[in-house]
Amino acid sequence: GAVVSQHPSRVICKSGTSVKIECRSLDFQATTMFWYRQFPKQSLMLMATSNEGSKATYEQGVEKDKFLINHASLTLSTLTVTSAHPEDSSFYICSARGESVQETQYFGPGTRLLVL
Amino acid sequence: QKEVEQNSGPLSVPEGAIASLNCTYSDRGSQSFFWYRQYSGKSPELIMFIYSNGDKEDGRFTAQLNKASQYVSLLIRDSQPSDSATYLCAVGSGGYNKLIFGAGTRLAVHP
Repeated sequence: GAVVSQHPSRVICKSGTSVKIECRSLDFQATTMFWYRQFPKQSLMLMATSNEGSKATYEQGVEKDKFLINHASLTLSTLTVTSAHPEDSSFYICSARGESVQETQYFGPGTRLLVL
Repeated sequence: QKEVEQNSGPLSVPEGAIASLNCTYSDRGSQSFFWYRQYSGKSPELIMFIYSNGDKEDGRFTAQLNKASQYVSLLIRDSQPSDSATYLCAVGSGGYNKLIFGAGTRLAVHP
């Protein structure tokens, strides 16, 4: 149980384009989903927390207009990187948490984004 | 600023030995504690969680929690080369609805 998927696993795009990443909880309802970013050899950095049906809460320093998060259902959250630039190249990982698993977050496999 | 501290390592242990990973946290009100393992280039995977003081065992893994001293540790018995990874300690921030992660300890198990 507690499986989280992400799509795509890897994406290469041109500078200035937008990229959408999907995060799905496959076997539980995720009341809360989290989006992280991880640069090589660095620790996880929480970008935002999203609760189903409400606006995402962004961490300090994360531009909400650049990283659009939608959590429209209990099993799906999306992160859209708008007008991507090479410095946005990173490993984006989502995690999901359900009501029945006290604060436990289950991570998706991650999406590796390369902006040329 | 709530913090979770871990020694970055690398912690090098021989195969078959016990690996001991430690973590301290600053928020005395924290109630839930997690250990994740992250292989290079992969996302974190949950090893175990602990909520109460004392020890919790799951196979070769034992988590130890001491709330008075604000530390949590992970012991890995009979370490295997496949255990070589970065181990992330995470602490629940209660009302803030999120986990605070440490920077991770890199473990290297050599044959």
